[in-house]
Amino acid sequence: QKEVEQNSGPLSVPEGAIASLNCTYSDRGSQSFFWYRQYSGKSPELIMFIYSNGDKEDGRFTAQLNKASQYVSLLIRDSQPSDSATYLCAVGGGADGLTFGKGTHLIIQP
Amino acid sequence: DAGVIQSPRHEVTEMGQEVTLRCKPISGHNSLFWYRQTMMRGLELLIYFNNNVPIDDSGMPEDRFSAKMPNASFSTLKIQPSEPRDSAVYFCASSWTGESTEAFFGQGTRLTVV
Repeated sequence: QKEVEQNSGPLSVPEGAIASLNCTYSDRGSQSFFWYRQYSGKSPELIMFIYSNGDKEDGRFTAQLNKASQYVSLLIRDSQPSDSATYLCAVGGGADGLTFGKGTHLIIQP
Repeated sequence: DAGVIQSPRHEVTEMGQEVTLRCKPISGHNSLFWYRQTMMRGLELLIYFNNNVPIDDSGMPEDRFSAKMPNASFSTLKIQPSEPRDSAVYFCASSWTGESTEAFFGQGTRLTVV
């Protein structure tokens, strides 16, 4: 049984600061890792994916992957109130489907 | 492309009734997934299809749940008989099977069983 663990939060971060979201996964054979953002009452939308160890940057977002530690993180720089949402970590992909964590509720305080 | 289309958006039904949720995946995608989301359990994968064939239905909670994909552009998730504990948001998602591509989600169906 694949498991993906996230701290449910809420994680409260001041506007303009860096928000750090973390995720661990159980299946050592996992190859693909995704971060989805979900606003209340809406469907999840992809914001980042990462396949290789190290960092991947896209605008204000940086995904970090450490396969040895089975750990994925998402950093949001210069946090904005519009970043307030639930962030879902997902592992897997392709034809096997995605296994999601329960999500971290992020609140950006103006 | 209009994205993944689900219907209905909201469904309220009485316990014991049959419920059918519908999904139209993105044209060209060959994988389709049904998820259920609740506060307690988060987002759970129920079943997924690849090239219209069910690959893994181990996430389907019990025999009251069934899913079909008669062609590449349509899938249904049926609950018969429905129970109050089935109340949740049901999402359909589709993707192109590649090296690991993202899944695109529909807007979801909020099901309430009273």
